[in-house]
This record gives sequence, structure tokens and C-alpha cells, in this order.
Amino acid sequence: GENVEQHPSTLSVQEGDSAVIKCTYSDSASNYFPWYKQELGKRPQLIIDIRSNVGEKKDQRIAVTLNKTAKHFSLHITETQPEDSAVYFCAASPSSVSGGSNYKLTFGKGTLLTVNP
Amino acid sequence: NAGVTQTPKFQVLKTGQSMTLQCAQDMNHNSMYWYRQDPGMGLRLIYYSASEGTTDKGEVPNGYNVSRLNKREFSLRLESAAPSQTSVYFCASSEVDGGRGYTFGSGTRLTVV
Repeated sequence: GENVEQHPSTLSVQEGDSAVIKCTYSDSASNYFPWYKQELGKRPQLIIDIRSNVGEKKDQRIAVTLNKTAKHFSLHITETQPEDSAVYFCAASPSSVSGGSNYKLTFGKGTLLTVNP
Repeated sequence: NAGVTQTPKFQVLKTGQSMTLQCAQDMNHNSMYWYRQDPGMGLRLIYYSASEGTTDKGEVPNGYNVSRLNKREFSLRLESAAPSQTSVYFCASSEVDGGRGYTFGSGTRLTVV
């Protein structure tokens, strides 16, 4: 099955700096790569996702890049703010039985991001 | 529009007791999932249901059973709870094709003593 490795496990940055979290995956059939943010005591929430036919996607201060050849993808957060402090999870998903994606996600172990004021 | 609703939010069981965690979604999603979250382990898939009428094992199914009661509801049962099942349990739902990722429930914090 799929195996997703995520690094680093903890990351501390100063407010205004950039943060980068990296993930690798093992299954070349994976074609959907979402990122989730989980605040303390809350549920994970989707912040951005990318599909295998796209190399990069941006949404305001957040961007994700994908290198299918190397089987890795990264989350980039620019101009970090204290409210960005949370645990971030990457995930990967193969095609579903019907040929679609967004199915049976395998998650990385998470990165605790702390943004210091 | 409540999204994904899980009950209960907290539960303490004694070793050997049984219980059922309930999950319901009102987004007309086809697929539903049960994950457990343990410190440093991320989210691990217990069971999933790709569509109404089907269920399959995930990464850590031992000690659990599931029922896809209808398109809205997907329950997780612990027949004989063990301390190793102390965890936070999340239910989630999604569209199989396209869509915007999983929608998670608020979680159930289970302690087995």
C-alpha cells in the first residue's frame, strides 16, 4: 500500500518568515495530494490540494508543489502569522475503483508548526 | 447543513466493554471513512466505505467492525475494548470523483481503562 513520509516533525519560525513542509510518497498510482491543517483540539481541515496533472498551485499565502518523477510534494507558507500555528498533514490518494481520485487517503505523521510573534 | 456529525464526543470504557461510535453526513457523499489519531502517528485508516453497501478494511482494522447503515450513516463498533484502542477517532466523508477532499467530523476522544 501507499506510504507517506513527512518532514520535519516540528518546525518553528518567526512571524513573517516562510515555512516549508515536505512529503514523499511511494505509490506511483497516487494522483491526489491534499494538505490539512489541524488546530489543537479541532478536526483536520483541508487548506489546499493538488492533482497529478498540475505542478504547482497557489492560494494567497499558501502554495503546493508536486514532483511526480521524484514522488514528492511540498507545502509552502509565506509571510507566516501566529494563527498559522497548527499541525499540518500531507496525504496521498490513488485512483478510486471508478477511476476518480480523492479516495482512501494515506496521511503523513504531521508537522507541528509554531509561528513565534 | 451540519456536515459530518459524530457521537459521542467523549467516552471512557473499561477493558472488555463494547460500544458503537456513530457518524452521519448530510452532504450526499458516497464515501465514508473511520480514522484513528494517536500522538506522533498521524491519521490511520481503520475502515472505509467507498459507496453504500460496501465496506473494506484499512490499515488498522483489528478489533473493530463497521456498518454502512445507509448513504448517510457509517458506524464503528468496538466489540471488546482494549487499552490500545485509546485514541481520538475521526469519521470523514468525501465524493469519490473530484470534490474538495474529506470533510471530517469533530472527533470522539475514547479512553479505555
